Amino acid sequence: DAKTTQPPSMDCAEGRAANLPCNHSTISGNEYVYWYRQIHSQGPQYIIHGLKNNETNEMASLIITEDRKSSTLILPHATLRDTAVYYCIVRVVTGANNLFFGTGTRLTVIP
Amino acid sequence: EADIYQTPRYLVIGTGKKITLECSQTMGHDKMYWYQQDPGMELHLIHYSYGVNSTEKGDLSSESTVSRIRTEHFPLTLESARPSHTSQYLCASSDPTGLREQYFGPGTRLTVT
Repeated sequence: DAKTTQPPSMDCAEGRAANLPCNHSTISGNEYVYWYRQIHSQGPQYIIHGLKNNETNEMASLIITEDRKSSTLILPHATLRDTAVYYCIVRVVTGANNLFFGTGTRLTVIP
Repeated sequence: EADIYQTPRYLVIGTGKKITLECSQTMGHDKMYWYQQDPGMELHLIHYSYGVNSTEKGDLSSESTVSRIRTEHFPLTLESARPSHTSQYLCASSDPTGLREQYFGPGTRLTVT
């Protein structure tokens, strides 16, 4: 699975959009981009995933660049409950489907 | 909401004891996983299973063992607990296609004294 690079930490004001970047310059054509988050050592929670096109769901939006070498997770209106570690993962959807978690980005939403 | 359960949530046990961490899911998922996470550190895959009677070791070497006799149940066992086993253990499952997300349980925080 491709390696990802994320900033170790970010702050965001409550009510503002949080934009979390991820670089995955060695991504292969059959690898998807997944985002998970982990709140205070609870089990990780799935947020969103995509292959090529931008995706949106009730939690967030995922913007993938045309060359697929980077992506951005957008939380449109951050709340204090969004404070968590956010993981960007790229993987093929075959075999064991293992998730390789890196160190992620610790997002702190500030009142 | 995902239906995946882990028991116990917290366990403090002495060195040398045998322990089994339970994980059950009611979603009928074939694939199940165990991850280990030290405080403030990354998650590491230690075991996974494609289905009944299938178990594989993950990326991080672990002295624990697993079994998969029933689809819904994926217990992890430590024959002789040591302080180095102190960690959080997270169980997860996913549907057979693997395209959708992995669902995680709440975790078991193990402390070996």
